[in-house]
Amino acid sequence: DAKTTQPPSMDCAEGRAANLPCNHSTISGNEYVYWYRQIHSQGPQYIIHGLKNNETNEMASLIITEDRKSSTLILPHATLRDTAVYYCIVRVAGLWFQGAQKLVFGQGTRLTINP
Amino acid sequence: NAGVTQTPKFRVLKTGQSMTLLCAQDMNHEYMYWYRQDPGMGLRLIHYSVGEGTTAKGEVPDGYNVSRLKKQNFLLGLESAAPSQTSVYFCASSLAGGQQFFGPGTRLTVL
Repeated sequence: DAKTTQPPSMDCAEGRAANLPCNHSTISGNEYVYWYRQIHSQGPQYIIHGLKNNETNEMASLIITEDRKSSTLILPHATLRDTAVYYCIVRVAGLWFQGAQKLVFGQGTRLTINP
Repeated sequence: NAGVTQTPKFRVLKTGQSMTLLCAQDMNHEYMYWYRQDPGMGLRLIHYSVGEGTTAKGEVPDGYNVSRLKKQNFLLGLESAAPSQTSVYFCASSLAGGQQFFGPGTRLTVL
């Protein structure tokens, strides 16, 4: 699985867009980019994923560069509740062992939203 | 719909004691996973299950055993606890190829 690189920490003002970068320069053509977040030691929460195209859902947007070597998670209007550790994970598309997923968590980016 | 629940929430053990952590999900998911998270680190996969009656080893399986006797439950056992097993344990479940849903975690301290 491709390795990801994220900044250890970031700050963002409440109400502004939070842009979290992720480098995955060794990503293969069949690997998805997933984002999860972990709020204050709770269980991780799925945010969004994508393969090539940009994706948007009710929580966030995911922008993947054309060469797929990096991506950015965008929280459009950050709130204090978005303070969390954000994990960028690259996962092989399709099924792993008998359908199980293999998620490899790095240390993530600790995002702090300031009032 | 409770999602993924874990029992207990906290536990303190002495070295050599045994215990079982219970994970339950009500989403009819086939796949279930056990992770551990050490301070300041990401999660690491201990064991997982692709269906009732099946289990497989993840990255860090040593010192742990698991069982999946019912589809909705996934048990993680520590036969002889060691201080190195002090950690937060998370259970997750998913459909095939789908996002994983995580439980709230069990905080285990081994003295």
